[in-house]
Amino acid sequence: GQQVMQIPQYQHVQEGEDFTTYCNSSTTLSNIQWYKQRPGGHPVFLIQLVKSGEVKKQKRLTFQFGEAKKNSSLHITATQTTDVGTYFCAKTGTASKLTFGTGTRLQVTL
Amino acid sequence: DAGVTQSPTHLIKTRGQQVTLRCSPKSGHDTVSWYQQALGQGPQFIFQYYEEEERQRGNFPDRFSGHQFPNYSSELNVNALLLGDSALYLCASSLVRAGRTGELFFGEGSRLTVL
Repeated sequence: GQQVMQIPQYQHVQEGEDFTTYCNSSTTLSNIQWYKQRPGGHPVFLIQLVKSGEVKKQKRLTFQFGEAKKNSSLHITATQTTDVGTYFCAKTGTASKLTFGTGTRLQVTL
Repeated sequence: DAGVTQSPTHLIKTRGQQVTLRCSPKSGHDTVSWYQQALGQGPQFIFQYYEEEERQRGNFPDRFSGHQFPNYSSELNVNALLLGDSALYLCASSLVRAGRTGELFFGEGSRLTVL
């Protein structure tokens, strides 16, 4: 089963509102990756976080790795309809094995 | 530069049949991983191939098998199909560097429906 939980499972926002998804693990993570999957599409890599307390930004997206390396978050400022999709965090194992979180589905309406 | 390509994109099988899915990795990548994604869930790791050998395996039965060819392309075979095998099968390629996990590049997937 899933070892990485994400909340919320689903969020519906109006365009321009902010959105945050949280990823929690019961064990310490070596690093964590985030992926976006559009409806009917495939996962697309967004970012990898490695260091404790790391914060990285990509335009309107801000990614954070917890100090204890057991949680992570993705925050989107001023959502747009192009942000629609499911956001997955994934914990990395040996080599390229990923364990994906449960995902947060984001719906944005005008 | 071609990304990850998978075939077929869609297929329908009946219970008990066998299926073969194919994947060509991104140019320059040497490692192929297969994931199963049921509707509404995150991808689940099936196995990974590197240097034509299965390196890691997830919690899937022996009905799921694979192969990697010298050109790094890969096949996923599923025997004795069950209704529960209906899912999107994703192939992901990567270039493994010692001690680090890099980003995965996913193909569009093969959507399998078992009736």
